[in-house]
Amino acid sequence: SQQGEEDPQALSIQEGENATMNCSYKTSINNLQWYRQNSGRGLVHLILIRSNEREKHSGRLRVTLDTSKKSSSLLITASRAADTASYFCATDEFRDDKIIFGKGTRLHILP
Amino acid sequence: DTGVSQDPRHKITKRGQNVTFRCDPISEHNRLYWYRQTLGQGPEFLTYFQNEAQLEKSRLLSDRFSAERPKGSFSTLEIQRTEQGDSAMYLCAILLRVSGANVLTFGAGSRLTVL
Repeated sequence: SQQGEEDPQALSIQEGENATMNCSYKTSINNLQWYRQNSGRGLVHLILIRSNEREKHSGRLRVTLDTSKKSSSLLITASRAADTASYFCATDEFRDDKIIFGKGTRLHILP
Repeated sequence: DTGVSQDPRHKITKRGQNVTFRCDPISEHNRLYWYRQTLGQGPEFLTYFQNEAQLEKSRLLSDRFSAERPKGSFSTLEIQRTEQGDSAMYLCAILLRVSGANVLTFGAGSRLTVL
């Protein structure tokens, strides 16, 4: 089963620009997380925002969470070629310790 | 090195054959998860373990799939009588507590190609 829906499905931007990805989910959550996946590899945890938080920063990453709209956004500022990857939002649901992933946004940074 | 080793990294098999994937966390972790990921999609939850106990199986896991974690450390995922639709990346992950929240650490995955 998949919980989140990322938008857009694919995004191409010039190096140095900012990239914004959005995620919507369906159920009540403990927290929402973003993961990155380079082609053919496993996922790497990037950042987590708790359900009682509205915004979180980590380096060039900024995450927002709106629990009333059940949505989140991930902003990557000053993008670099190395940011080319797929990005997934994932929700940690209240009822158990399953972490459910969305379908992802494929980000391509153009040189 | 993520702390989760998966083997084999890539398996090519003919339809109808059985395959087994192994996941080895580098250290002891209570919770271990299996996900399946097809091209262009996000990881789909298959099953997870609390030590040796299998807590939940997704409806995606047909009777041809079985997972074990006999000693609460490594885990195996077996697929019997493989079908072409089983072609996917099979990801193993362990649950870590980071600042009081659950975070997954993934292995590099085992890619299955069924011909």
